[in-house]
Amino acid sequence: DTAVSQTPKYLVTQMGNDKSIKCEQNLGHDTMYWYKQDSKKFLKIMFSYNNKELIINETVPNRFSPKSPDKAHLNLHINSLELGDSAVYFCASSQAATGVFLIMNTEAFFGQGTRLTVV
Amino acid sequence: GQQVMQIPQYQHVQEGEDFTTYCNSSTTLSNIQWYKQRPGGHPVFLIQLVKSGEVKKQKRLTFQFGEAKKNSSLHITATQTTDVGTYFCVYYKLSFGAGTTVTVRA
Repeated sequence: DTAVSQTPKYLVTQMGNDKSIKCEQNLGHDTMYWYKQDSKKFLKIMFSYNNKELIINETVPNRFSPKSPDKAHLNLHINSLELGDSAVYFCASSQAATGVFLIMNTEAFFGQGTRLTVV
Repeated sequence: GQQVMQIPQYQHVQEGEDFTTYCNSSTTLSNIQWYKQRPGGHPVFLIQLVKSGEVKKQKRLTFQFGEAKKNSSLHITATQTTDVGTYFCVYYKLSFGAGTTVTVRA
């Protein structure tokens, strides 16, 4: 049973399209994340939700909108895709140790990644 | 904000040799984690360090947290081809360092 699953694994789309990536975790964790990994392998945190509440929103274009229908799901919707959005997107989850402020991290589990290619 | 430098960015190692990767922070860290990402894979948790001066070992991997909690290191002895991948230190709100990508020469 996959702990953190995200779909699709590969996504090829044209510039200007709107697309979504779905993420689900069955670990009972309170906190979920989206990361973007560029071609240089740098992993940048984009968003974090704790119990369906947005707690981290890094400098990300407004075209990116996370949606958390419940604490087991955190989907990422991207509007008006651009070439620069091409990357691998990872979903992750962890059990918050200190609630919203996450001073003490706990082990994070990552999904397999979604390779997004914008052409 | 917090800034953590991870060095070196690339490490080319002869099989059987040892190497060390470092994370250095400008501020005190409450804790630090290490993750490994194999080529084409996703990050996988290795260890978490919390206490000042803490040292933890996992077989050939030795993790250390500095006394001032501003730096951490990962030392691998007798490198094997299975050690290939990118090693990340992770701090604060699960922010990732730039990673050290390790390749191994057989």
